Amino acid sequence: DVKVTQSSRYLVKRTGEKVFLECVQDMDHENMFWYRQDPGLGLRLIYFSYDVKMKEKGDIPEGYSVSREKKERFSLILESASTNQTSMYLCASSLPGLAHTQYFGPGTRLTVL
Amino acid sequence: DQQVKQNSPSLSVQEGRISILNCDYTNSMFDYFLWYKKYPAEGPTFLISISSIKDKNEDGRFTVFLNKSAKHLSLHIVPSQPGDSAVYFCAASEDQAGTALIFGKGTTLSVSS
Repeated sequence: DVKVTQSSRYLVKRTGEKVFLECVQDMDHENMFWYRQDPGLGLRLIYFSYDVKMKEKGDIPEGYSVSREKKERFSLILESASTNQTSMYLCASSLPGLAHTQYFGPGTRLTVL
Repeated sequence: DQQVKQNSPSLSVQEGRISILNCDYTNSMFDYFLWYKKYPAEGPTFLISISSIKDKNEDGRFTVFLNKSAKHLSLHIVPSQPGDSAVYFCAASEDQAGTALIFGKGTTLSVSS
């Protein structure tokens, strides 16, 4: 059974803290994605990666960075968390050339105080 | 500017009746369309897709219709069941091999028994 896991379901951080959100997939997928979901705004793409050490900016990369040192792991980094980064963060993965088969993790609900 | 639009934030339907969720797009380069379903506290799951060379795709109770000239697609659920209550996201890609999807804001479907 395919699986995408995210390190935390709920996370509370303070403004200015450095935050790491981890995502691991066990399907040997080349593509990995980070989205955030906000009420009334849907899913917005932050960053994606199509190979180890490769990354591409999505629609809203400002305030975020990513790291892909291993194929199975894709990390989202908030260098200095701000209250407007309070959101649901969703990780997904897919095989190359198959955009529709994006498998999503359960999400991390991040609250920045 | 939003390329994928779901203009109805919510829809309420009685069990056994038809649910129709609508989606409009503006980018004429989109040629692959998908619907994802999301329950609270879970990641989105792929539901059904359609290529631009087709105008209809059916999978059990779910049918997606595509009207390219109107840049409009719809998801029909017949008959609706209480377990279908979820947020439904429309998504589009410029080609089937595309690595990134553009999502709409979502429509919350509530099916009452």
